[in-house]
Amino acid sequence: AQKVTQAQTEISVVEKEDVTLDCVYETRDTTYYLFWYKQPPSGELVFLIRRNSFDEQNEISGRYSWNFQKSTSSFNFTITASQVVDSAVYFCALSEAGTTGANSKLTFGKGITLSVRP
Amino acid sequence: DAGVTQSPTHLIKTRGQQVTLRCSPKSGHDTVSWYQQALGQGPQFIFQYYEEEERQRGNFPDRFSGHQFPNYSSELNVNALLLGDSALYLCASEWGRGPITDTQYFGPGTRLTVL
Repeated sequence: AQKVTQAQTEISVVEKEDVTLDCVYETRDTTYYLFWYKQPPSGELVFLIRRNSFDEQNEISGRYSWNFQKSTSSFNFTITASQVVDSAVYFCALSEAGTTGANSKLTFGKGITLSVRP
Repeated sequence: DAGVTQSPTHLIKTRGQQVTLRCSPKSGHDTVSWYQQALGQGPQFIFQYYEEEERQRGNFPDRFSGHQFPNYSSELNVNALLLGDSALYLCASEWGRGPITDTQYFGPGTRLTVL
């Protein structure tokens, strides 16, 4: 069975600090996908990144970066120079590749509430 | 390019009633998944519709049912509502026909309150 663990529940930082959100996953599949979504107070899940299990290259997008390590089953997310607008709940999720090309179900972690204070 | 849309935004029902939630997928998408998100929790997968059929189902009772229409839009129906059904219901869509697994994009959700 798939499982995603986000051990941190709440993180509070001061603006401009760097912050890392941890994600550990479990799966028996060799082909799978990892995601990070952001959920602002409005409720809509905003897609941030998708990674497949064969691509362990770290990725950087502006102030965001992701570190994928299959050896430790981790997919951590770092925000550099955090801003107040980064305040939200962040979810890590896992899916297996579907037979038709669509994802199988997404399994989410419980989320990390990030508060960035001015 | 319209994203995933859901209606209604909010809904209040009483125990025992039935409810129907609606979802229109992002343009070009043909696969719709439904998730339930209780307060303070991550979303839980309910089911996924592809080619108008339920393709996968999560651990939800038969009171939860759905439908997908030829235009790929979808409905989620919940019968005999319980207090525990109060949650944010999220719809996600993706393109399911290609050889490469796509990304699921989510709608704004319907917040259901059962009194």
